[in-house]
Amino acid sequence: SQQGEEDPQALSIQEGENATMNCSYKTSINNLQWYRQNSGRGLVHLILIRSNEREKHSGRLRVTLDTSKKSSSLLITASRAADTASYFCATVFSGNTPLVFGKGTRLSVIA
Amino acid sequence: DADVTQTPRNRITKTGKRIMLECSQTKGHDRMYWYRQDPGLGLRLIYYSFDVKDINKGEISDGYSVSRQAQAKFSLSLESAIPNQTALYFCATSDYARGTDTQYFGPGTRLTVL
Repeated sequence: SQQGEEDPQALSIQEGENATMNCSYKTSINNLQWYRQNSGRGLVHLILIRSNEREKHSGRLRVTLDTSKKSSSLLITASRAADTASYFCATVFSGNTPLVFGKGTRLSVIA
Repeated sequence: DADVTQTPRNRITKTGKRIMLECSQTKGHDRMYWYRQDPGLGLRLIYYSFDVKDINKGEISDGYSVSRQAQAKFSLSLESAIPNQTALYFCATSDYARGTDTQYFGPGTRLTVL
């Protein structure tokens, strides 16, 4: 399977701490995206990083990409209770294949 | 109004019944997708369509069929529902024009097959 795999499967932290989630994939990609899902709701796109980029920032989000290791990480700084959700990485291999989602990391931020 | 809508939002049905889930979008995207989500299994792709005349099977198409009636509409049918099709179903759209293929999801349909 080309599916990305997130690690850890679940993460519980205190409010104000940083949360780091990792994603590994198996083949060369065009870009990698992170999505967020609040319980039972549709996924929402957070951030995209292209294969020729190494790091991107968006507000409290920082994404890194290491194509040599076929891995990415999502860092959420100064987490809030409202960040409690599941986070999915998704990889785009080419324009002719659909996005492939991982199984997600469930983040719980305790106030 | 939401860009991607799904109807119904919740449905309870019985084994053997034919069910249709509908998806409409106002984003003007060519690409549309149907996923199912089960606890612990993430999102699994059922069918996808890159334009009105294009329909492709995804990872788990058995027991499902789709119809792309127009650029804005993509319907998923369960010809004879079975209990293991109980799941949360999502429709999504995307636009590859800028080479990103970012997806936009509907709110989901929670389907229960008794």
